[in-house]
Amino acid sequence: GQNIDQPTEMTATEGAIVQINCTYQTSGFNGLFWYQQHAGEAPTFLSYNVLDGLEEKGRFSSFLSRSKGYSYLLLKELQMKDSASYLCAVRARNNNAGNMLTFGGGTRLMVKP
Amino acid sequence: EPEVTQTPSHQVTQMGQEVILRCVPISNHLYFYWYRQILGQKVEFLVSFYNNEISEKSEIFDDQFSVERPDGSNFTLKIRSTKLEDSAMYFCASSEEVVGGPQHFGDGTRLSIL
Repeated sequence: GQNIDQPTEMTATEGAIVQINCTYQTSGFNGLFWYQQHAGEAPTFLSYNVLDGLEEKGRFSSFLSRSKGYSYLLLKELQMKDSASYLCAVRARNNNAGNMLTFGGGTRLMVKP
Repeated sequence: EPEVTQTPSHQVTQMGQEVILRCVPISNHLYFYWYRQILGQKVEFLVSFYNNEISEKSEIFDDQFSVERPDGSNFTLKIRSTKLEDSAMYFCASSEEVVGGPQHFGDGTRLSIL
């Protein structure tokens, strides 16, 4: 099976930087994905890592260490609209070469003025 | 930007009734998925579909569930005899390829079973 852990809630200030951590345990690791989800809406793809290192996309960056089973999402220059849940999801290859994502419980980020 | 579309946005059904949720994946995508999210809980995988057959399914996806690609554009999820615990948000997703491609989600169908 797979186990994904991320903090339940975080609070940060507008304009600041926040790092949301995710640890996972899985076999057949085949990628880690970060999604943003506003309340009542669909998950929106932000970033993904298959290899170790940092991937940067504008204000968002994601880091992966496969040996440590660890990833983080870094959000810079926080804006009020960044208040949302951030979902860490792991893709694992199984015998059928499937592509299913297993999601963590999400980290609810509150950005305060 | 192309997107996954789902209909209806909200479906209210009596327990025991059949329900069909519809999705139009992004046109050049080959892999299709259904996920569900019970209110306040995690997003959970239901089923993946490729080349007109199920490639993977979870324990949730029992005999009451089925998927179909009836034509070149639609992808449907059918629940044969709905239960109260089927009440959830159902998300369709699609991806271009298995390796490297992210899954893009539709806006979801909120299913309410009475």
